Amino acid sequence: EPEVTQTPSHQVTQMGQEVILRCVPISNHLYFYWYRQILGQKVEFLVSFYNNEISEKSEIFDDQFSVERPDGSNFTLKIRSTKLEDSAMYFCASTLGQGRNQPQHFGDGTRLSIL
Amino acid sequence: EDQVTQSPEALRLQEGESSSLNCSYTVSGLRGLFWYRQDPGKGPEFLFTLYSAGEEKEKERLKATLTKKESFLHITAPKPEDSATYLCAVQIQYSGYALNFGKGTSLLVTP
Repeated sequence: EPEVTQTPSHQVTQMGQEVILRCVPISNHLYFYWYRQILGQKVEFLVSFYNNEISEKSEIFDDQFSVERPDGSNFTLKIRSTKLEDSAMYFCASTLGQGRNQPQHFGDGTRLSIL
Repeated sequence: EDQVTQSPEALRLQEGESSSLNCSYTVSGLRGLFWYRQDPGKGPEFLFTLYSAGEEKEKERLKATLTKKESFLHITAPKPEDSATYLCAVQIQYSGYALNFGKGTSLLVTP
């Protein structure tokens, strides 16, 4: 069964450094998402992306964050000047469409640890 | 403010002991309600989508139901492999397609 792939599985970065989290969505999917889950808290929406544009973003997704689809298969989340509070699991998701019966399928996440 | 609340936070069952998990929601308009399963160190795995009150979906030992205020995930005769965290999420009408998650119910099924 097709799946969403995320790399790396664990990223350790010094505070203030830039980090790029990578995702390969399911191959024919068109809509892409990033979520994060701080330890012990709920999964939170960050951003959605379609047709090379951000279609929706949350208050969390400020100027520190950016997303890109650099080629036909990858979808990336960049965090500039990381902060301690950016430590979390980051999940990528994708879906073929946004109509009924088009659930978001998640990858297994990247654990980001900011030191 | 739109909210999703899941209860209980944790549940321990004996193998074969049926029970239900609750997801109550207060949103301005529901586009859809989603149930996911999350195993430790993994991403959420899609289980069901429900769209309107009265709708029911089933998959093996799991059955999801929806009313105008809440959803239940019924687990019939659970097995140890059903142990996981079960997440409920809603999409809100006229508010994009972001999933708004609850905190989840951590289920442990013992032999």
